[in-house]
Amino acid sequence: GQNIDQPTEMTATEGAIVQINCTYQTSGFNGLFWYQQHAGEAPTFLSYNVLDGLEEKGRFSSFLSRSKGYSYLLLKELQMKDSASYLCAVSDSNYQLIWGAGTKLIIKP
Amino acid sequence: GAVVSQHPSRVICKSGTSVKIECRSLDFQATTMFWYRQFPKKSLMLMATSNEGSKATYEQGVEKDKFLINHASLTLSTLTVTSAHPEDSSFYICSARESRGGNQPQHFGDGTRLSIL
Repeated sequence: GQNIDQPTEMTATEGAIVQINCTYQTSGFNGLFWYQQHAGEAPTFLSYNVLDGLEEKGRFSSFLSRSKGYSYLLLKELQMKDSASYLCAVSDSNYQLIWGAGTKLIIKP
Repeated sequence: GAVVSQHPSRVICKSGTSVKIECRSLDFQATTMFWYRQFPKKSLMLMATSNEGSKATYEQGVEKDKFLINHASLTLSTLTVTSAHPEDSSFYICSARESRGGNQPQHFGDGTRLSIL
């Protein structure tokens, strides 16, 4: 079966760094996406990885290891507005997105 | 770029009413659009994949006669919840994927919060 695992909830301090992990087992792989979703709102696209390595975009970076079926989203210089759920999604062999349940990130002052 | 507009943002109506939700890609063409449903504190649940000019593909357990999908153009898909009942109350979100080829990200509308009394 297809499976995406990510922690349910994480807590971090304003100004700090946090890493949100995602492991996956899917039928085929055509890339991994990270989305941010604030409570009561729709998801917004953050990053896309299809090759191994680190993609950096401002305070956010995303890493992929295809051999390990593993990705992480790294958030630096955390701000209160970063409190949200972070969704990991894998594009399978049919280009369908398989969604993780999301990681709720709580930022404390 | 890559803006998706979803309308209406909120609907409150009586049981038995049919509700239509529109999803438009404003600055790109989208061969494929997706309709999701999300319950509070739960993950996104894909309901159906909407392809321009053809019938939608529904996920297992989703009633196609209950949730009518029309994707008449490359920029518009509609979801109609027919004869809605309180159990249909939920947050419905659409997304659209650019037709440029390759593996483009899905861009989401703002969602429609549907409340059936």
